Amino acid sequence: KAGVTQTPRYLIKTRGQQVTLSCSPISGHRSVSWYQQTPGQGLQFLFEYFSETQRNKGNFPGRFSGRQFSNSRSEMNVSTLELGDSALYLCASSLDSGGAYEQYFGPGTRLTVT
Amino acid sequence: GENVEQHPSTLSVQEGDSAVIKCTYSDSASNYFPWYKQELGKRPQLIIDIRSNVGEKKDQRIAVTLNKTAKHFSLHITETQPEDSAVYFCAASNAGNMLTFGGGTRLMVKP
Repeated sequence: KAGVTQTPRYLIKTRGQQVTLSCSPISGHRSVSWYQQTPGQGLQFLFEYFSETQRNKGNFPGRFSGRQFSNSRSEMNVSTLELGDSALYLCASSLDSGGAYEQYFGPGTRLTVT
Repeated sequence: GENVEQHPSTLSVQEGDSAVIKCTYSDSASNYFPWYKQELGKRPQLIIDIRSNVGEKKDQRIAVTLNKTAKHFSLHITETQPEDSAVYFCAASNAGNMLTFGGGTRLMVKP
């Protein structure tokens, strides 16, 4: 099976702009979670989507949002970008069925805000 | 919410020695504890996990132990090899797929 894929891999944006990142989960996986990774804050949970519904949400401002489509692909959006939003954004997919909660990460999107 | 502390932040060992990384968690409701290995520029890779109904799990040179009473879990790597050099993250989950990660341990295996 193909692994989790994310597009784009690299992105440079200017403060105040908005950005949309995409994640395609492993085939058959129904849950997609998003994480932000920075040197200072480490890996932090943003939100999780399951069956097109946001099931869990981390402590990030409302500028961070997401959605999931019927084919389980997910997008996250960051509006009004700030310098501090520069980070590696990782998505992870999980089968989430029959007790299988293992999460598998994509390669990430490296976002730089200037 | 959940809080996960991970120690040490850096660990240097000689090839062939063992390495131990420890994590503590705060939420007694947490029931799933995975470990990830992240090489430079790569995605985190799940290497082993344990659930709260099990005290120990082993996979070749890697083992994880869990002490629910003390709320801590540890990763043990035996016979370390240079390719084990990476950053290792522990995590805990008490709500499905919402993982709370430790701060990471940079493991360096010297040949």
